[in-house]
Amino acid sequence: QKEVEQNSGPLSVPEGAIASLNCTYSDRGSQSFFWYRQYSGKSPELIMFIYSNGDKEDGRFTAQLNKASQYVSLLIRDSQPSDSATYLCAVNGLGGSQGNLIFGKGTKLSVKP
Amino acid sequence: GAGVSQSPSNKVTEKGKDVELRCDPISGHTALYWYRQSLGQGLEFLIYFQGNSAPDKSGLPSDRFSAERTGGSVSTLTIQRTQQEDSAVYLCASSRTAQETQYFGPGTRLLVL
Repeated sequence: QKEVEQNSGPLSVPEGAIASLNCTYSDRGSQSFFWYRQYSGKSPELIMFIYSNGDKEDGRFTAQLNKASQYVSLLIRDSQPSDSATYLCAVNGLGGSQGNLIFGKGTKLSVKP
Repeated sequence: GAGVSQSPSNKVTEKGKDVELRCDPISGHTALYWYRQSLGQGLEFLIYFQGNSAPDKSGLPSDRFSAERTGGSVSTLTIQRTQQEDSAVYLCASSRTAQETQYFGPGTRLLVL
C-alpha cells in the first residue's frame, strides 16, 4: 500500500517568516512529486512539481527532494497571510500505468499578520 | 484556455437514488482522473482514464461506482443506490499525458440525505 504522510498541522508562522512543509512517501519507485495548495472550499491548485533530487525554486517557493530518504519538502519564503491554506503533497509511481496521484492528508498552514 | 469543468457544482440526493457527475477535461488532455475528498480528509483516488486504454478502476470503493469516458473527452461518474457515506466532494482532474501535471476542476459537492 503506497502511502504519503504529512503532518496535519496546523502550522502557524508569522508574516514574513519561512514556512517549511514536509512529506514522506513509502514507494521507493515513485518518480514524480507535486505540491498542491487548497483553500477552504476550493479545489487543489498546483504550486510546484519536482522530479530530480535537490532543490527547485520558483519565486517564493522551493521544493526539495531527497529520494534516498524518501522525503519531499516545500519552503515558502516571506510567508504572506494569503498563503494560509492546506498544502497537499502528492506522489505518483512508475510507468504509464501509475498515472494516478497518491495524496497526503495535507498540512494546514496559517500565516499570522 | 478553459480549465477542467464539472457539473453539477452541488447535488443533494436521497439515499438509494442514483447520481451522475460530469467532467469536461482540458482540451487535448489524454488522461482524466476522478478523486473523492470527504470532509477533513485527503484526496482519495477513484478511477483513471488514459487515452484508449482500459481504465484503472483500482480506487473505486464498491461496485456501486462506475465511470465512463466517451470519445476520449467527457467523463461521467455514476454512483448507484447512493449511501450517506458517499457524501463528499468529487474532483475531476486532467493531464496532457500520464505522469504530467494534473489540473483539477472545481468539484461536485454531493450530499446524500
